[in-house]
Amino acid sequence: QVQLQESGPGLVKPSETLSLTCTVSGGSINSYYWTWIRQPPGKGLEWIGYISDSGSPYYSPSLKGRVTISLDTSRNQFSLRLSSVTAADTAMYYCARHVSKTAADSWGQGALVTVSS
Amino acid sequence: QSALTQPPSASGSPGQSVTISCTGTSSDVGGYNYVSWYQQHPGKAPKLLISEVNKRPSGVPGRFSGSKSDNTASLTVSGLQAEDEADYYCTSYAGNYNWVFGGGTKLTVL
Repeated sequence: QVQLQESGPGLVKPSETLSLTCTVSGGSINSYYWTWIRQPPGKGLEWIGYISDSGSPYYSPSLKGRVTISLDTSRNQFSLRLSSVTAADTAMYYCARHVSKTAADSWGQGALVTVSS
Repeated sequence: QSALTQPPSASGSPGQSVTISCTGTSSDVGGYNYVSWYQQHPGKAPKLLISEVNKRPSGVPGRFSGSKSDNTASLTVSGLQAEDEADYYCTSYAGNYNWVFGGGTKLTVL
């Protein structure tokens, strides 16, 4: 049973860069896409982007230019960097395993990131 | 890309059936059979209920079913139970490796 766990700072200052890492255990990085999804407090889900097992990233058009997703297969981890953050980027950030063009079938528990000075 | 349209709320009594709609366009819901549904209880991560319009992952009760007609996908919960009270989100592949979510529907079991 694959498990995912997000880690990173819970507080980021405006204009700085948000960085989160997702550690995958109990399963292989291969043959899946590794996804970041966020949820502002009291609001719906927003797809941020994902990265293939070969390291090719794909981003939401609304965040493109600010977001970078990378993969470290040696550590079974993938990471999210979101630059120039504002209060609107305050959200629960989830990492998930995405089965190609089908669905995200395994999720982390989420990491709350607050953007505030 | 715009979010998919879901009703903000739905409700039903125990044992009844409820259907939640998810309306998109020919560029997402209508263009691909890659519509998924997720259930989210308060304070919890979303859980996959339905993938590829109507496929249930192992462990998901048969009371949950999905369908699609043109640009609208639907999730039906039959035989409502108290534990079905949760938020439900649809998502669809939108081409060019992009995905779009619905705004979510809060299901209340009366």
